[in-house]
Amino acid sequence: QVQLVQPGAEVKKPGASVKVSCKAFGYTFASYDINWVRQATGQGLEWMGWMSVKSGKTGYAQKFQGRVTMTSDTSRNTAYMELSSLISEDTAVYYCARNPPDSGWFDFWGQGTLVTVSS
Amino acid sequence: QAVLTQPSSLSASPGASASLTCTLRSGFSVATYSVYWFQQKPGSPPQYLLRYRSDSDKRQGSGVPSRFSGSKDASANAGILLISGLQSEDEADYYCMIWHNSAWVFGGGTKLTVL
Repeated sequence: QVQLVQPGAEVKKPGASVKVSCKAFGYTFASYDINWVRQATGQGLEWMGWMSVKSGKTGYAQKFQGRVTMTSDTSRNTAYMELSSLISEDTAVYYCARNPPDSGWFDFWGQGTLVTVSS
Repeated sequence: QAVLTQPSSLSASPGASASLTCTLRSGFSVATYSVYWFQQKPGSPPQYLLRYRSDSDKRQGSGVPSRFSGSKDASANAGILLISGLQSEDEADYYCMIWHNSAWVFGGGTKLTVL
């Protein structure tokens, strides 16, 4: 069955970078886009950006432009989201979610990766 | 002003109906958008519920009960998620989302309490 598997947690120091993985199972990886959404504790959902696994095209929320990079490795059926220059306010759960191209049908989500930024 | 505004909380009784609103910022018409709805329970990722653009252009998520439905209120410039026959398991956070200026935008979410 379709699954998006993410690591459970990462701990980083302020100023560092984090690279979160999202490994896909149960479907043709390149047939869907991957989005990244984060959620701070007790807060709402915040969309960070998307990438087309098929073409490599990306689109990032203005807030994260210059600080986020989304990539994929089709040989490993894995998508990645790297966020640099971390600050404490980046502490959040980071989710990957797949969708058919040009659609907001985020039908499968990873369980999320808790990224904690702390000195 | 946020692009999408949702009431922070809503309470309703079991068996009743709940209408969750998602108001689009002034200057933009809800008629031109598809509004997506997600449900999130504590400790879990969001789950897709449905997409609504019009009565002739909508899509229910796989396995989502028909008591979840979408609509729009043009006078309020809002998308609406209607949940009928409320059950205790419907207690959750609900988020709306649209594609706006080449980005997906979420509303702030509504915490629905069923009591």
